[in-house]
Amino acid sequence: GQQVMQIPQYQHVQEGEDFTTYCNSSTTLSNIQWYKQRPGGHPVFLIQLVKSGEVKKQKRLTFQFGEAKKNSSLHITATQTTDVGTYFCAAIQGAQKLVFGQGTRLTINP
Amino acid sequence: SQTIHQWPATLVQPVGSPLSLECTVEGTSNPNLYWYRQAAGRGLQLLFYSVGIGQISSEVPQNLSASRPQDRQFILSSKKLLLSDSGFYLCAFATSGLAGTGELFFGEGSRLTVL
Repeated sequence: GQQVMQIPQYQHVQEGEDFTTYCNSSTTLSNIQWYKQRPGGHPVFLIQLVKSGEVKKQKRLTFQFGEAKKNSSLHITATQTTDVGTYFCAAIQGAQKLVFGQGTRLTINP
Repeated sequence: SQTIHQWPATLVQPVGSPLSLECTVEGTSNPNLYWYRQAAGRGLQLLFYSVGIGQISSEVPQNLSASRPQDRQFILSSKKLLLSDSGFYLCAFATSGLAGTGELFFGEGSRLTVL
């Protein structure tokens, strides 16, 4: 079935540095979702991208969907300690299943 | 408002013992329901999903099973646990199907340790 590959698996940054995680698929995606999971917590929905080339911003977070709808990225500008957690991309498979990438675990040195 | 409740939050079970995790949703009707498992430090593996009462789709063949006896109730079970069943189990729902708004709402999770 459809898979989404996410890189890097881990990222450690100094507070204030930028962070980017990438999600790639071998097939065209109908849409892509992003979730954040705080340590010890459950995943929380951040955003959904649907259109080719779409770019959405949430404060310091910028989400992009590739022109071919096969890749996506999440960029955080000037990380803060509250950004710590694991970020997942997810894509719909068939009509009713959401398949998650392996996630990128972000740790921050204050 | 829509809420999801999942219990128990943590449990420690011996190998070979049975398992029952329960999830209920409030504030919506006919949701899609999902069980995911997350091994330590790993991604989310879809185990089962349901689009209606009594309708269960299994994604990974293993010694787990799921049931949906009521519209907003989803149960994950096992007759005999294995060590490899340890992990963080997450129940989730979608209100209008993934083709709609698409957002999944997750429960707080159940952390299972099999010894």
